[in-house]
Amino acid sequence: DADVTQTPRNRITKTGKRIMLECSQTKGHDRMYWYRQDPGLGLRLIYYSFDVKDINKGEISDGYSVSRQAQAKFSLSLESAIPNQTALYFCATSDRGQDTGSYGYTFGSGTRLTVV
Amino acid sequence: AQTVTQSQPEMSVQEAETVTLSCTYDTSESDYYLFWYKQPPSRQMILVIRQEAYKQQNATENRFSVNFQKAAKSFSLKISDSQLGDAAMYFCAYGTSYGKLTFGQGTILTVHP
Repeated sequence: DADVTQTPRNRITKTGKRIMLECSQTKGHDRMYWYRQDPGLGLRLIYYSFDVKDINKGEISDGYSVSRQAQAKFSLSLESAIPNQTALYFCATSDRGQDTGSYGYTFGSGTRLTVV
Repeated sequence: AQTVTQSQPEMSVQEAETVTLSCTYDTSESDYYLFWYKQPPSRQMILVIRQEAYKQQNATENRFSVNFQKAAKSFSLKISDSQLGDAAMYFCAYGTSYGKLTFGQGTILTVHP
């Protein structure tokens, strides 16, 4: 099984629908992140969480919400999906303290979301 | 805020040749890390190489090496003896001990046989 699992892998939804993207990890990492990838823009941070009680907005959090249900689970919700939220979404984890300075930064395989 | 810029949307190289991908960044931090990630069509994010800012020596991983110019805030990736499997999107990224990563726009690398 993958260290960081994202579900679903692909999803098509209609404008105005609520949708949840799920992420679970077996790395035992404290820190979890949601990024969005768009062509020509790279990956941009939506939300991040350093532990279950610590959730922070990233640079593009409008229209999104998150829930850290446990150390291993971090879900991203689109309350009312709109077409410009069509993108590839990545969940990632990292170690506390070592973080990006170590090889403890792990990505899921992404969720491709299309809003029609 | 930190920014990362990759000015080459696309690059191409002949198999067995060398190619260099460019990346510049902007930060006021003194302690940080720089990364190159590879994203093949499978869309998995694969760490290629990383560089700690406090290290003067350029990082090397087999055929991949970087040219880290701290004063110029430049971090280029050199791929030697290019292989067909190197074809992918490449992202430059900046990070600190806080854990968040800032990514560049990406460079699509095509390898011609």
